[in-house]
Amino acid sequence: DAGVIQSPRHEVTEMGQEVTLRCKPISGHNSLFWYRQTMMRGLELLIYFNNNVPIDDSGMPEDRFSAKMPNASFSTLKIQPSEPRDSAVYFCASRSEKLFFGSGTQLSVL
Amino acid sequence: KQEVTQIPAALSVPEGENLVLNCSFTDSAIYNLQWFRQDPGKGLTSLLLIQSSQREQTSGRLNASLDKSSGRSTLYIAASQPGDSATYLCAVRPISEGGSEKLVFGKGTKLTVNP
Repeated sequence: DAGVIQSPRHEVTEMGQEVTLRCKPISGHNSLFWYRQTMMRGLELLIYFNNNVPIDDSGMPEDRFSAKMPNASFSTLKIQPSEPRDSAVYFCASRSEKLFFGSGTQLSVL
Repeated sequence: KQEVTQIPAALSVPEGENLVLNCSFTDSAIYNLQWFRQDPGKGLTSLLLIQSSQREQTSGRLNASLDKSSGRSTLYIAASQPGDSATYLCAVRPISEGGSEKLVFGKGTKLTVNP
């Protein structure tokens, strides 16, 4: 298995633009997680899905953030409009017993 | 609110040394605790998972212990190698989140093993 696949690896955009991050979980994993990592706050859970259904979105910072999982093999995290404080590394992870992380998307909002 | 602390934030040791990384958490009501490794520019790799009913887990040169009542876990690395250089994070799954699979992470200890 190729592991959790995220795209793009790097994204540089201007404030106010829409940003879409993509994730393909490991086949057979029923849970998918979106995390954000910054130096100041460390790793924070934004949202997670079980069997494609959002279960806990209490970590989504505000209405500018939205996430979808239309099927078991694909999820998106969208930020609209983006702001400079959204700059961070965004990780997707999927789970069997242990958590497996993708390589992350480095987002820079100028 | 569950908080996870890892001290020190950074550690540098000579190759071959045995070392211990520390993790503490404020609420002992947890389902499990995991140790992860993160290499620069990469995602996290799960190293060891300890269920709340367990005291320790071992994988190769790594041994993780859990003392739930005192809110502490340690990761022991035997005979350290330069390839062990990375940031090590611990995370707990709190019972207070009502069955949620949310993990609360520490900020990590950055380990450097010098040849």
